[in-house]
Amino acid sequence: GQQVQQSPASLVLQEGENAELQCNFSSTATQLQWFYQSPGGSLVSLLSNPSGTKHTGRLTSTTVTKERRSSLHISSSQTTDSGTYLCAIVLGYKLTFGTGTSLLVDP
Amino acid sequence: NAGVIQTPRHKVTGKGQEATLWCEPISGHSAVFWYRQTIVQGLEFLTYFRNQAPIDDSGMPKERFSAQMPNQSHSTLKIQSTQPQDSAVYLCASSVDWGSSYEQYFGPGTRLTVL
Repeated sequence: GQQVQQSPASLVLQEGENAELQCNFSSTATQLQWFYQSPGGSLVSLLSNPSGTKHTGRLTSTTVTKERRSSLHISSSQTTDSGTYLCAIVLGYKLTFGTGTSLLVDP
Repeated sequence: NAGVIQTPRHKVTGKGQEATLWCEPISGHSAVFWYRQTIVQGLEFLTYFRNQAPIDDSGMPKERFSAQMPNQSHSTLKIQSTQPQDSAVYLCASSVDWGSSYEQYFGPGTRLTVL
C-alpha cells in the first residue's frame, strides 16, 4: 500500500486564507521533508521536520512521529504559493514521496 | 553555489534511440540520487551513489537503464532503446552525506519525451 498519503489531493483558496496540508506515513521515518514544486518547475525543499514543530516564514510544520503524521500550515496564502506540495519520508537513505497536494490560490 | 545541475533540461528521442542524462551534484556532496517523476507513478527512487560507488539500484528497471558516477563531479543515467513509457522527468539530487539526517537537494530535472 501507499507508504505516504497526503490530503487533500487539491485545495483552492482565496488569497489571504490559510492552508493546512496533511501527510500520513506508514513506516517509522527518521526524517521527513516537505517540498514545493511549481508547475513545470523544480522540486524545492521547504522544511525538514522529523519531529516537533518548525517554522520558516509563513510556513509551520508539525510532525508527531509516534502517530506517523505531519502537517504543513501556510498562513496568509499568496497567489505565488500555487503549486504542488509534496511530503517525503526517508527510509534508510531514499526518499519516498506522497502523491502531493495541488494548491491553487486565487487573487 | 550553483545547486545541482542537470543537462539537458529537455530531451526528445525517437523510440529505440539512446538517451543519456547528466547530473552535476553540489560540490562537496558525497551522495547522489536519481529519481523519476511521472503523472501516474509520482516520484520514484531509481538509484543511489555514495562517494561515487553504486550502493542501491533497486528502483532501476532491470533492462535498458544504467547509471554511472565516473568522478565526484558528475553522474549519468543512460537509457538504451528508449520506449514511450520511459517518458518522464528524471531528477537528480545530492546530499552532504548518506543517511536520514541529511537533506537532499534536487536539480531542475530533465524532461524526457520518447516519441
